[in-house]
Amino acid sequence: SQTIHQWPATLVQPVGSPLSLECTVEGTSNPNLYWYRQAAGRGLQLLFYSVGIGQISSEVPQNLSASRPQDRQFILSSKKLLLSDSGFYLCAWKEGSYNSPLHFGNGTRLTVT
Amino acid sequence: SQQGEEDPQALSIQEGENATMNCSYKTSINNLQWYRQNSGRGLVHLILIRSNEREKHSGRLRVTLDTSKKSSSLLITASRAADTASYFCATGGGSNYKLTFGKGTLLTVNP
Repeated sequence: SQTIHQWPATLVQPVGSPLSLECTVEGTSNPNLYWYRQAAGRGLQLLFYSVGIGQISSEVPQNLSASRPQDRQFILSSKKLLLSDSGFYLCAWKEGSYNSPLHFGNGTRLTVT
Repeated sequence: SQQGEEDPQALSIQEGENATMNCSYKTSINNLQWYRQNSGRGLVHLILIRSNEREKHSGRLRVTLDTSKKSSSLLITASRAADTASYFCATGGGSNYKLTFGKGTLLTVNP
């Protein structure tokens, strides 16, 4: 069966520090991969998605970047965090077909102080 | 911008009652999906309804889709305290890569 791992679960970082969040998927190949951000009391904002190794699409211009160095690994990074980067970050994967659901990790709660 | 919008934003009911949540969207879709999120956790997929379907059932869940009105509803029958969570609708449009989520309905089921 497929599983998705996302870490760390919580992170407190000072403004201006770098960020690296990692997500890996097991039990499937060539998944579509996603990073969403959820602000308190709000819906999910799609940040990045990837349909293959090295292929990254950005949905919102911001202080973040994403990379996919391996088929089932997706990394969210920042060189210098801003206060506004605080939030709940969710990694997800889906198969490439139209009518397939997203499978989410347990999320990372990031607080920038 | 967000595609789906859930209504109501919050809903509080007693155990055993039915809960109905609605979702409206703006553009054409391939499918509409409902997800559940327990506090502080990731989202869990509940049910997917395709654009050519009008109603779908899964256990105590019933989803309807009206593409002419661009709306969907999620009905949870005989609710339980464990159903307490936020519920989101998500729409898949022209691209098979992206799902766009609404802001969710916070459902509280009181024992």
